[in-house]
Amino acid sequence: NAGVTQTPKFRVLKTGQSMTLLCAQDMNHEYMYWYRQDPGMGLRLIHYSVGEGTTAKGEVPDGYNVSRLKKQNFLLGLESAAPSQTSVYFCASSYSTGPSLYTIYFGEGSWLTVV
Amino acid sequence: SQQGEEDPQALSIQEGENATMNCSYKTSINNLQWYRQNSGRGLVHLILIRSNEREKHSGRLRVTLDTSKKSSSLLITASRAADTASYFCATDGGQAGTALIFGKGTTLSVSS
Repeated sequence: NAGVTQTPKFRVLKTGQSMTLLCAQDMNHEYMYWYRQDPGMGLRLIHYSVGEGTTAKGEVPDGYNVSRLKKQNFLLGLESAAPSQTSVYFCASSYSTGPSLYTIYFGEGSWLTVV
Repeated sequence: SQQGEEDPQALSIQEGENATMNCSYKTSINNLQWYRQNSGRGLVHLILIRSNEREKHSGRLRVTLDTSKKSSSLLITASRAADTASYFCATDGGQAGTALIFGKGTTLSVSS
């Protein structure tokens, strides 16, 4: 049982380049999330999805796009990378948002550097 | 803006001592959760407390919730070096179907 898997784990981009981070979960979870973590800022929600084919904006959505074409996958895209997007990105998933079942499972993170 | 704010930002203790971390939040909640993050790793769920609960235990962890003060505390008893990590509180903002919002975390260092 792999849980939540993120690829790639490390990437260096030049300013203006585009890339996609892939998140896959094998727990049949409805909800998936992308967070970014920066020193002193904690985790901030970028986008999330409450089911296949749906997406919603989080706290810091600008400069990112997402897609949830399949239930098990949640893609995070950077169309034109900027140095401010240098961060550690975490994907996560949960079965639901109900109080009894709302435990989030995180991937191991993707370290992105934009130069 | 972030929902939860942990206090202190950093905490250093000796093995065997207790560690207490606090979390304050802004809006009503359905539940509050605590997560742990080891250096360079993803976050791991520790414990969930519902808005109608006041205290919850799990092993050496004790969580309290005071909804009137919009605050929670995480107590780790008899700390071990392996407890060294960052600890985050997260809340749902009281709205179903929304994502958890995390605080900035408390970095705990336990020395032997």
